[in-house]
Amino acid sequence: GDSVTQKEGLVTLTEGLPVMLNCTYQTIYSNAFLFWYVHYLNESPRLLLKSSTDNKRTEHQGFHATLHKSSSSFHLQKSSAQLSDSALYYCALRGASSSFSKLVFGQGTSLSVVP
Amino acid sequence: EAAVTQSPRSKVAVTGGKVTLSCHQTNNHDYMYWYRQDTGHGLRLIHYSYVADSTEKGDIPDGYKASRPSQENFSLILELASLSQTAVYFCASSGGHRENTLYFGAGTRLSVL
Repeated sequence: GDSVTQKEGLVTLTEGLPVMLNCTYQTIYSNAFLFWYVHYLNESPRLLLKSSTDNKRTEHQGFHATLHKSSSSFHLQKSSAQLSDSALYYCALRGASSSFSKLVFGQGTSLSVVP
Repeated sequence: EAAVTQSPRSKVAVTGGKVTLSCHQTNNHDYMYWYRQDTGHGLRLIHYSYVADSTEKGDIPDGYKASRPSQENFSLILELASLSQTAVYFCASSGGHRENTLYFGAGTRLSVL
């Protein structure tokens, strides 16, 4: 079945340094959609950004990601980390082409940005 | 703005007791979901529903039941709560297309003692 791997459970960064959170996935479906959800403490998880076509970059709130089907990856990046970026980040996959297909989440990466 | 409301926000239950978690959405969405959040496991799907009076099993349904009495309401029921069900539970709703965003509630922190 579909699966998502986020190999880093915890990433600690100094403010101002670049952010890169890894996400790789497995699916048999060629037209998969990938998503990044962010969960700030004491808030509801919410969508950060979602994939576009292959090799096209999508951006939102200073974060960006590019779907690379050749490497089955959708890494989340930001040029300069801010203290307010500290949160739990989930990569998610919706693979199947049926009218309904459930969203499969990765294990999550906790990002801690320190001064 | 989409709205998904969960109640209660936190609950302490005794082992073997019955627990009901409630979710209400005002998004007019067909799909509703219950997820469980555990460190190291991410968000795992327990049950979901795409129409009132019908529910479907997700990836980890054992020990849980669900009820969808109306489009707006979706409940998660633990008939015999166990220690292993201590977790944070999130309800979410979405439209039917697979590009659609999931809108989450604020979560319910359940502690089973």
